[in-house]
Amino acid sequence: NAGVTQTPKFQVLKTGQSMTLQCAQDMNHNSMYWYRQDPGMGLRLIYYSASEGTTDKGEVPNGYNVSRLNKREFSLRLESAAPSQTSVYFCASRRTGDPTDTQYFGPGTRLTVL
Amino acid sequence: KQEVTQIPAALSVPEGENLVLNCSFTDSAIYNLQWFRQDPGKGLTSLLLIQSSQREQTSGRLNASLDKSSGRSTLYIAASQPGDSATYLCAVPRGGTSYGKLTFGQGTILTVHP
Repeated sequence: NAGVTQTPKFQVLKTGQSMTLQCAQDMNHNSMYWYRQDPGMGLRLIYYSASEGTTDKGEVPNGYNVSRLNKREFSLRLESAAPSQTSVYFCASRRTGDPTDTQYFGPGTRLTVL
Repeated sequence: KQEVTQIPAALSVPEGENLVLNCSFTDSAIYNLQWFRQDPGKGLTSLLLIQSSQREQTSGRLNASLDKSSGRSTLYIAASQPGDSATYLCAVPRGGTSYGKLTFGQGTILTVHP
């Protein structure tokens, strides 16, 4: 049971390049989330998916797109990277109806945009 | 808009001390409040979740309290150890729901020195 996995762990992009961050969970969770973490700002929600086939915007969605490929996988795409998107990106998952409301986080992807 | 603030931003204590981390939120209509731990370069691990109907939760040396009316939560760590060194974040669901869309505080960086 690997929990939540993210690839890649590190990435350096040039301004204008595109890339997709991958996330997968093996806990059969319905809900999945993408956050970004910047120094001094905590984590901010980018997009979330309440179930397979559904996605919705979070607090800071501009410049990103997401795909809930199936129940296991939730990817985050940067179409044209900008230096302001330099951050650490975390994926998380949660079982709908879990009374503990626990979210399980991946190890993160550290992205630098030059 | 819900805002979550954590004080202090950083804390350094000698081993064995009892300590308190603070979290405040602006909208008291929360469904629950969670405390997370983040080790350097790692993802987040859920420590405690307090439902809105509860006043406190305990896990080992950790005790979290919640006062909705004043918009505050505290995380009490007893007999601190060097292994407790990490960043501690609190989070509440956005919009008062339990859909897992969390608003995080900026975190408190805790260092426990031998």
